[in-house]
Amino acid sequence: DAMVIQNPRYQVTQFGKPVTLSCSQTLNHNVMYWYQQKSSQAPKLLFHYYDKDFNNEADTPDNFQSRRPNTSFCFLDIRSPGLGDAAMYLCATSGERDEQFFGPGTRLTVL
Amino acid sequence: GIQVEQSPPDLILQEGANSTLRCNFSDSVNNLQWFHQNPWGQLINLFYIPSGTKQNGRLSATTVATERYSLLYISSSQTTDSGVYFCAVEYGNKLVFGAGTILRVKS
Repeated sequence: DAMVIQNPRYQVTQFGKPVTLSCSQTLNHNVMYWYQQKSSQAPKLLFHYYDKDFNNEADTPDNFQSRRPNTSFCFLDIRSPGLGDAAMYLCATSGERDEQFFGPGTRLTVL
Repeated sequence: GIQVEQSPPDLILQEGANSTLRCNFSDSVNNLQWFHQNPWGQLINLFYIPSGTKQNGRLSATTVATERYSLLYISSSQTTDSGVYFCAVEYGNKLVFGAGTILRVKS
């Protein structure tokens, strides 16, 4: 089945230690998104790629970076995680119809 | 920016009951999606519904774009329907989420 895959599902890191979350898709969609969702809140868009064009939300901290080496893969790098970065990170994709499909998420814990 | 409001914020149902969730939005939108976030955190697509009515099993949705609202109907609720239901609208090339409705179905 075509899908959005995120690895790992659970990630524990230490305060200040860089961490990378990965997302892959078999839907061949041209747009990929990264969202942050904190407890009891709605998902918040961090950035998205339209093909290779990177679009950063104005309020996304500089601590968050992203890479999209090809159509199928997208990475979220958190350079120096703080306690406030503990959250669920959701990857999504969309194609021609703009309907977004989400992966299962990576729950990040910062110790 | 656009405001997306969902009601009610919380809902407790007895198994087998029906319910209606509402999503109001403050401006014209390109499309609207309903999601169910399960207890493990995954957002499951329920409906892509910029206008009109769609049905999928016990769930159906109606969007009246001219009046800027959408409704999600859940009939004969089951415990597996528990979770958070989000409405999200496409506005300015991005998805703007409402705050969600937390649904608990008791057996």
